[in-house]
Amino acid sequence: DTEVTQTPKHLVMGMTNKKSLKCEQHMGHRAMYWYKQKAKKPPELMFVYSYEKLSINESVPSRFSPECPNSSLLNLHLHALQPEDSALYLCASSQDGGPRNTEAFFGQGTRLTVV
Amino acid sequence: AQKITQTQPGMFVQEKEAVTLDCTYDTSDQSYGLFWYKQPSSGEMIFLIYQGSYDEQNATEGRYSLNFQKARKSANLVISASQLGDSAMYFCAICLPWGNSGGSNYKLTFGKGTLLTVNP
Repeated sequence: DTEVTQTPKHLVMGMTNKKSLKCEQHMGHRAMYWYKQKAKKPPELMFVYSYEKLSINESVPSRFSPECPNSSLLNLHLHALQPEDSALYLCASSQDGGPRNTEAFFGQGTRLTVV
Repeated sequence: AQKITQTQPGMFVQEKEAVTLDCTYDTSDQSYGLFWYKQPSSGEMIFLIYQGSYDEQNATEGRYSLNFQKARKSANLVISASQLGDSAMYFCAICLPWGNSGGSNYKLTFGKGTLLTVNP
């Protein structure tokens, strides 16, 4: 069983909806990540939180808004998405964001469809 | 510039045989990490093996071994005694400093992946 839990597993939303993706880990990790993965493509990094602070934003559109309420939780708030945002959204965590500690544990992902 | 390259879009292997998945990388950094992940059709990314740039020994984890050739900048994954459950997408990834963060932030960049099919 994965130690990174993502909810929901599947989400269908309209372009005017507001929804949130949730991610939780209880491994004491201090770095958490959001990745976006389109079909048949590798994951692409969106955001990194290190010690509950946003440390990397890969120029993601503002319709995606990350939030890290505490060291165990990571949210991704979605608003006014486009159909091309449909993808698998993966959350991951690692001990910290350092070079030898980016062995990231991934959740099972949320399959998002924007209609 | 492509930092990590997997040249095999798909590979087939017979059950119980060994298979090598290729990965080459490009960086001028001296300190970096190389990872292999497995992604079944369910979507979860499963960590398989890690190799640090300063590690002199090739990494091994059970049936997985990493053939690290630093001078050639290659980090091939070898799966021994293939099983039907090994059928999945395999991603090679490199961990490098991100942007102009002065080395304080690192990110994983993934290759395009290799789809491995194990035949009975």
